[in-house]
Amino acid sequence: NAGVTQTPKFQVLKTGQSMTLQCAQDMNHNSMYWYRQDPGMGLRLIYYSASEGTTDKGEVPNGYNVSRLNKREFSLRLESAAPSQTSVYFCASTLTRATTEAFFGQGTRLTVV
Amino acid sequence: KNEVEQSPQNLTAQEGEFITINCSYSVGISALHWLQQHPGGGIVSLFMLSSGKKKHGRLIATINIQEKHSSLHITASHPRDSAVYICAVETSGSRLTFGEGTQLTVNP
Repeated sequence: NAGVTQTPKFQVLKTGQSMTLQCAQDMNHNSMYWYRQDPGMGLRLIYYSASEGTTDKGEVPNGYNVSRLNKREFSLRLESAAPSQTSVYFCASTLTRATTEAFFGQGTRLTVV
Repeated sequence: KNEVEQSPQNLTAQEGEFITINCSYSVGISALHWLQQHPGGGIVSLFMLSSGKKKHGRLIATINIQEKHSSLHITASHPRDSAVYICAVETSGSRLTFGEGTQLTVNP
């Protein structure tokens, strides 16, 4: 099925460990996004990639890095996880601005202990 | 002040009632999205609007670009409509900014 595939679904890390969240879309979308969702705060943009080869910081980029590996894939890396990064992470994609709806991955529930 | 404000934050209705959720934004946008998030956590897109009005089943979304305001209406509400409804605006550079969401509970 077409859509956004995000892995893993669940992850527990110890403080200081690193990990990469993977996201892939098969809809030929240009723009991809990483968000975190915390209780009472809604979705906040971490990083986005408006098109292949470009990445830009969002509202809360500190502690994260991203790679737009190709048009399909956009990964999020935590180099040294901290408890403050405990959250639910969503990847999303849109074709481009003002032309189509947004599609979301199923989310990754990350706990840093 | 957030760029995207939703009201109400929480809404409880009886089955069959007409429901309105509002979204106001303070920036120039290229499009506005309405999204639904169920208790399981998945997020699905309901509408993408750049002008006027769209209808899908019992859901209606309107936008007034001049007033920087959008509304999501649900007619003949049902308990299965219980979810968080999220407004998001798309700005230059394809960036999405979200409201905090409206928790809707529809009681039978």
